[in-house]
Amino acid sequence: KQEVTQIPAALSVPEGENLVLNCSFTDSAIYNLQWFRQDPGKGLTSLLLIQSSQREQTSGRLNASLDKSSGRSTLYIAASQPGDSATYLCALLGQGAQKLVFGQGTRLTINP
Amino acid sequence: EPEVTQTPSHQVTQMGQEVILRCVPISNHLYFYWYRQILGQKVEFLVSFYNNEISEKSEIFDDQFSVERPDGSNFTLKIRSTKLEDSAMYFCATRRQQTIYGYTFGSGTRLTVV
Repeated sequence: KQEVTQIPAALSVPEGENLVLNCSFTDSAIYNLQWFRQDPGKGLTSLLLIQSSQREQTSGRLNASLDKSSGRSTLYIAASQPGDSATYLCALLGQGAQKLVFGQGTRLTINP
Repeated sequence: EPEVTQTPSHQVTQMGQEVILRCVPISNHLYFYWYRQILGQKVEFLVSFYNNEISEKSEIFDDQFSVERPDGSNFTLKIRSTKLEDSAMYFCATRRQQTIYGYTFGSGTRLTVV
């Protein structure tokens, strides 16, 4: 059974810093991995999607990497801004599966 | 950018009552899903729906739950007799045919059972 873990559970940094959020998973047989952003009481906004054959994806100040052999993905946020404050979730789609398996999220606070 | 629309945004219901949560999927998406998130917990899978039938469901999705596409556009989740523990945020998600595409989630319905 796939297990997804995100560390740290919460992170608070000053504005302007570069930061890394971590996601680890137990089963490397995945189709893809998706990073989402969730604002308090709101829905899930897709940030980046990495296919199992890819090593990384970039969108603006965000860069996500995938290392299946070690069961890890990272989300790198450059030059953080207060508007980046949110909970970040990683979710995996396993091979042959229909459902996403989510981590518990990292709650990020960027202090002005 | 196309969106998945969910209604209502918030629903309060008494224990034992039936509720129907509605979702309008993106038009060219073929796979439909319901997930839920109990406050402070992980987002968890409930059910997947493809070609007008359930393709996979979780242990949570028992006989009290049902899904359908009554008119070919809306996708609904019905809870027949709500319990206090059904209180959660319910998310509809959709995806295109190929797995190379990611999921698009709606903004959710917050269900409060009192």
